[in-house]
Amino acid sequence: DQQVKQNSPSLSVQEGRISILNCDYTNSMFDYFLWYKKYPAEGPTFLISISSIKDKNEDGRFTVFLNKSAKHLSLHIVPSQPGDSAVYFCAAIDPNFGNEKLTFGTGTRLTIIP
Amino acid sequence: AAGVIQSPRHLIKEKRETATLKCYPIPRHDTVYWYQQGPGQDPQFLISFYEKMQSDKGSIPDRFSAQQFSDYHSELNMSSLELGDSALYFCASSLNSGRMNTEAFFGQGTRLTVV
Repeated sequence: DQQVKQNSPSLSVQEGRISILNCDYTNSMFDYFLWYKKYPAEGPTFLISISSIKDKNEDGRFTVFLNKSAKHLSLHIVPSQPGDSAVYFCAAIDPNFGNEKLTFGTGTRLTIIP
Repeated sequence: AAGVIQSPRHLIKEKRETATLKCYPIPRHDTVYWYQQGPGQDPQFLISFYEKMQSDKGSIPDRFSAQQFSDYHSELNMSSLELGDSALYFCASSLNSGRMNTEAFFGQGTRLTVV
């Protein structure tokens, strides 16, 4: 039962354009969401997070939007740079299962085309 | 800045052997998590420790055990290894300030291959 879903396994975007990565979830008890970026042979690196009490969080080129009613969040990267090419994981926390367990999505491989 | 350190980076074991993976969290971090990522799959939560006590348990097989030591490093012990245990094992650490844990920082992972 995949509670966090990233339906696009891959995405290609031209350098300088906006990259939009999407994530859907089914567990309405999730109250904190995180995006991680992963390069090959490395561990996931934290990017940005958002609490369920917010609908937007911005950090430099990265913005995460949360639509609770649709159980959907998205990560926007503007402008996209070649170094952004990586696999992006969406993750969520259900406080009923403790504050330690991250539930990950399956990842989206982003390729930035120079 | 110091990151999460995992050792070894690569490990090859035969079926039915045992393996021990080590994780050294970021200094002052008191919470450690273990994740398993099989080929082409998303990371699956195995187990976590807070202040040397097991705090949460996920899909960790009974053949595996883990602990967190007084210096906060953690070890994942895997026995009776099976071919299906071949995966990337990630350790992450965070500081549990009493509020909800937010960002967990991951190590580079240990790639275990069981042959």
